[in-house]
Amino acid sequence: DGGITQSPKYLFRKEGQNVTLSCEQNLNHDAMYWYRQDPGQGLRLIYYSQIVNDFQKGDIAEGYSVSREKKESFPLTVTSAQKNPTAFYLCASGGDRLQNTEAFFGQGTRLTVV
Amino acid sequence: DAKTTQPPSMDCAEGRAANLPCNHSTISGNEYVYWYRQIHSQGPQYIIHGLKNNETNEMASLIITEDRKSSTLILPHATLRDTAVYYCIVGYSTLTFGKGTMLLVSP
Repeated sequence: DGGITQSPKYLFRKEGQNVTLSCEQNLNHDAMYWYRQDPGQGLRLIYYSQIVNDFQKGDIAEGYSVSREKKESFPLTVTSAQKNPTAFYLCASGGDRLQNTEAFFGQGTRLTVV
Repeated sequence: DAKTTQPPSMDCAEGRAANLPCNHSTISGNEYVYWYRQIHSQGPQYIIHGLKNNETNEMASLIITEDRKSSTLILPHATLRDTAVYYCIVGYSTLTFGKGTMLLVSP
């Protein structure tokens, strides 16, 4: 079954701990994205990657890190430096407007830091 | 990437057409207009996109003005399940979302 998968759906961590959110796609997309969404707010771009072994900061990259070692995987690490990590995190792939393709989103990971 | 402006909220009666506007006055010649929607607590869903001509698919129609500075997403017969936040996006390099329009479809 093709698509983009985020795991886990819900995640709880203690303050001060790093946590890594998984995002996997089998759509053969070059581009992948990470977003953060707070209650009642829109999506804010954290990091994006247009190709393997390359990624760029988005609007709110501070306190986050990513890697893109494989085309199908784009994990996001929320570090202890992120001041307010509790949020809904969304991963997307595709959306290459130069090739006129739409993006596909995962179902999100809801992270709660206590 | 071109910025977009959308009204924060709109209401629509069930069964009526919902017309959602988007202004993108700084759009470049080859930038496509994309529409997505997000139902509460889910990932956004692609709806439709276009460059110059009007487009229609099984979900919606997209009307782009001749000068391409604005567009309208049309849901021809809105249902309660169309209640969602609708995002209009233009631009090349990144998939950047604004705040969108919260469409409330009422019985």
